[in-house]
Amino acid sequence: QTVVTQEPSFSVSPGGTVALTCGLSSGSVSGSHHPSWYQQTPGQPPRTLFYNTNIRSSGVPDRFSGSILGNKAALTITGAQADDESDYYCVLYMGGGILMFGGGTKLTVL
Amino acid sequence: EVQLVESGGGLVQPGGSLRLSCAASGFTFSSFWMHWVRQAPGKGLVWVSRINNAGSDANYADSVKGRFTISRDNAKNTLDLQMNSLRAEDTAVYYCARVQYYYDSSGYASPYFDYWGRGTLVSVSS
Repeated sequence: QTVVTQEPSFSVSPGGTVALTCGLSSGSVSGSHHPSWYQQTPGQPPRTLFYNTNIRSSGVPDRFSGSILGNKAALTITGAQADDESDYYCVLYMGGGILMFGGGTKLTVL
Repeated sequence: EVQLVESGGGLVQPGGSLRLSCAASGFTFSSFWMHWVRQAPGKGLVWVSRINNAGSDANYADSVKGRFTISRDNAKNTLDLQMNSLRAEDTAVYYCARVQYYYDSSGYASPYFDYWGRGTLVSVSS
């Protein structure tokens, strides 16, 4: 069974740049998987950041960007801030109305 | 304002049943596909089930197939999840989520979650 893969954790310095990736255990991620990205802080529901790979959701700062890098989807934060410290999840469309989550990346800003 | 409010969670013994509901408001409920997503304590988000807007088609994660049933009542604007034969590993916060579609210049539909409820906690334990 195909699994959506993400780095379990990542660390970035304040003001730094980080690219969180979203891959497949078998095969490549492409635009046809319609990658979307979500941010979640403890005790809160997820917040939509991006959809259709790189369409920014309302209110999302432009230091966040979405893209396809090689064979993976990527969420890049340029100029990380302390309040970007969160869990980040990617979701891929697998067909048949099924949206599959990656395992999530815990981002630490320090 | 779009609102999704889950209810029905609680403590249940292994092998027991529970029915979750999600009350939707602020949008035309019958126009949207809806999903259930769960999150075990300290773990990641996991897709559970989805139902189309008419309620005529549904899919389930392998881990719940045959035990859970998703349904909706478009007249009452509610989404349900009937959970039977519950196991300890079903312990989680259950979120209902709305799926929106973005149509690109080629007309391809790109689905994504645009609204989430705050979740309801299901605990399966003896």
